[in-house]
Amino acid sequence: DAKTTQPPSMDCAEGRAANLPCNHSTISGNEYVYWYRQIHSQGPQYIIHGLKNNETNEMASLIITEDRKSSTLILPHATLRDTAVYYCIVNSAQKLVFGQGTRLTINP
Amino acid sequence: GAVVSQHPSWVICKSGTSVKIECRSLDFQATTMFWYRQFPKQSLMLMATSNEGSKATYEQGVEKDKFLINHASLTLSTLTVTSAHPEDSSFYICSASTPNEQFFGPGTRLTVL
Repeated sequence: DAKTTQPPSMDCAEGRAANLPCNHSTISGNEYVYWYRQIHSQGPQYIIHGLKNNETNEMASLIITEDRKSSTLILPHATLRDTAVYYCIVNSAQKLVFGQGTRLTINP
Repeated sequence: GAVVSQHPSWVICKSGTSVKIECRSLDFQATTMFWYRQFPKQSLMLMATSNEGSKATYEQGVEKDKFLINHASLTLSTLTVTSAHPEDSSFYICSASTPNEQFFGPGTRLTVL
């Protein structure tokens, strides 16, 4: 499975959009990009996933570059409850391999 | 989204004893379940992949005789930590997958004294 690179930490003001980048330059054609988040001492929560096209759901938007080597998760109006570690994962099978993720802190 | 439960949510045991953790998919059938371990301030580490009715596949470095996995039905997988030691203290998380998504349980915090 392709490896991902994420910044270790980010801060965002409450109410603003949080943009979390992820590099996956070795992604192969059949691999999806998944985003999960983990709030302290809880199990990971699914956010969104995509293959080529940009995706949007009630939680977030996922922007994937045309060459698929990077993507951005967008939380449009961040709240304090969005403070968590966000994991970007690429894979083609069911097995998910977690990297270190980005610790996102939403500040009041 | 689909719901996955774990029981117990936390457990404290003495060194040398065995501990069983249950993972259930509550509103869907999961042919595949996964077990992860997470140490403080670290990411999740995949331990094993469990398929219903067959032997689990363990990741490199995970002792299959120490971490016994049973996946007897499409909604239940169990992880038994045998002869637990303090270094086994960790946050154990399971997940259950459908063809397109994977849903995680809330985790079980194991403390071995």
